[in-house]
Parts: sequence; C-alpha cells; structure tokens
Amino acid sequence: GENVEQHPSTLSVQEGDSAVIKCTYSDSASNYFPWYKQELGKGPQLIIDIRSNVGEKKDQRIAVTLNKTAKHFSLHITETQPEDSAVYFCAASRPGGSYIPTFGRGTSLIVHP
Amino acid sequence: NAGVTQTPKFQVLKTGQSMTLQCAQDMNHEYMSWYRQDPGMGLRLIHYSVGAGITDQGEVPNGYNVSRSTTEDFPLRLLSAAPSQTSVYFCATWTGFTDTQYFGPGTRLTVL
Repeated sequence: GENVEQHPSTLSVQEGDSAVIKCTYSDSASNYFPWYKQELGKGPQLIIDIRSNVGEKKDQRIAVTLNKTAKHFSLHITETQPEDSAVYFCAASRPGGSYIPTFGRGTSLIVHP
Repeated sequence: NAGVTQTPKFQVLKTGQSMTLQCAQDMNHEYMSWYRQDPGMGLRLIHYSVGAGITDQGEVPNGYNVSRSTTEDFPLRLLSAAPSQTSVYFCATWTGFTDTQYFGPGTRLTVL
C-alpha cells in the first residue's frame, strides 16, 4: 500500500518568513495530492491540491509543487502570518473516490508575531 | 447545508462501557470514513464505506464496529471501551468526482 512521509514534524518561523513542508510517497499510481490545514479544535480542511498532470499550483500565498519522478511534493507558504499557525497534513491517493487517501503524520507550523 | 456533523463533541467513558459516535452528512457523498488522531500519529483510518450497505476495515479497526444503512449516516460503535481508545475521532466524506475529503469537527473521547 501507499506510504506517505512528511517532514518536518514541527516548524517554527517568524511572521513574514516562508515555510516549506515536504512529503514523499511510495505508490507510483498515486496522482492526487491534497494538503489539509487543521486549526486547533477543528477538523482538517483542504487548502490546496495538485494532480499529477501539473508540476506546480498556486493560490495567493500558498503553492504546491510535485515531482513525480522523485515521488515528492511540497507545500510552500510565503509571507507567513500568525493565522497560518496550525497543523498541516499532506496526503496521496489514486483518483476515482474509492481509493482511500493516505495521510502524512502532520506538521505543526508555529508563526511567531 | 450543515456539511458533516459529529456528536457528541466530548465524551468520557469508563473502561468496558459501550457507546456510539454519530456522523451525519447532507452532501450526498457516497464515501464516508472514520479516523482517529493521536499525537504524533497523524490521521489513522479505522473503517470506511463506499456506499450504503458496504463497509470495510482500515488501518486500525480492532475494537470498533460500523454500519451504513443510509447514505447520510455512518455511526462508529465502541463495544467495550479501553484506555487505548482515548483519542480524537474524525468522520470524513467525499465524492469520487473531486476526491476532496470533508471532515467533521471531531469527537474527543477519554476512556478512564
């Protein structure tokens, strides 16, 4: 089955700095890679996703890159703000719905004002 | 639309007690799942369902039962609670058209 490794487990940055979270996956058939943000006391919520037919996707201060050859993908947050503080999860899955995504163990991002 | 709802938000049980965690969705999604979240362990899949009447085991199914009699509801049953089941439980739903998972707000369970 799929195995997703996520690093680092904790990331502390100053407000305004950039933050990068990296994930690797094992199943070459995976082609859907979402990122979820979990705020304290809440359930995870999708913030951005990428499919294997693209190498990069941006949404304002957030971007995700994908390297299918190396089987890794990354989340980039620029100009971090205190409200970016949360736990971030990466995941990998095959398309079609019936394939259950495999999640990384999460990264706790702390943005210091 | 409420999306995905979970009840209760908090629960304290004694070892050996039974209870059911409720999950309901009004998104008409065919797929539903239960995860538990423990510190440093991420989200671990307990059980999932690909449609009414169809369920299957995930990574950590022992001690939990599920059923799916309707599209909307997917309850998780603990038959005899153990301290190792102390965790935060999340229900999620998704559709094969987008693959995006929608999570409920979670149930924090403590077993003494």
